[in-house]
Amino acid sequence: GAGVSQSPRYKVAKRGQDVALRCDPISGHVSLFWYQQALGQGPEFLTYFQNEAQLDKSGLPSDRFFAERPEGSVSTLKIQRTQQEDSAVYLCASSRERVNTGELFFGEGSRLTVL
Amino acid sequence: EDQVTQSPEALRLQEGESSSLNCSYTVSGLRGLFWYRQDPGKGPEFLFTLYSAGEEKEKERLKATLTKKESFLHITAPKPEDSATYLCAVSRSGSWGKLQFGAGTQVVVTP
Repeated sequence: GAGVSQSPRYKVAKRGQDVALRCDPISGHVSLFWYQQALGQGPEFLTYFQNEAQLDKSGLPSDRFFAERPEGSVSTLKIQRTQQEDSAVYLCASSRERVNTGELFFGEGSRLTVL
Repeated sequence: EDQVTQSPEALRLQEGESSSLNCSYTVSGLRGLFWYRQDPGKGPEFLFTLYSAGEEKEKERLKATLTKKESFLHITAPKPEDSATYLCAVSRSGSWGKLQFGAGTQVVVTP
């Protein structure tokens, strides 16, 4: 596709459930990023991949959050035992560059609501 | 600790009424400052990268400038389609992948 694709667009989970969010980056883009955006706030960095290597996971809020990109293309963000504070929009972005020039292409996000 | 503060939080403009948005930052070893635009229900859309004080970038009615402590996004003669939230972000040297975003300025341009 022409842009970054994320699925599902909307997810409602009961507290304690596990969820998986998928990101299909732009074909050929080397770098992939996950951000979390709360209502009325700017995106907060979660993690960053260069090809299949996870180079920075300093933003993951707890060990319940796990991200992978096993073949250097599609990525999955997994949240175990969801809590209400996990409710947010999860944004995926990709970049053609190895070095981050700041030009990230974002998907439309996956909105997670934890009840 | 790195900080990015945007002001005002919200701005309401008449069509054609020029204005400026502010992004002040404190970061150790600034590598770049970035401006994005975000429409409701969408992901942010890249606008500009600025690397050093004194640098300016322009795109249609938007112009971004950078000093050692802040950046401005000037909107000249805005149109209703310029309505969006404008986000500022910074990255620091050695932290390639991580952008730190401000909370954004919500701009509404009325006809």
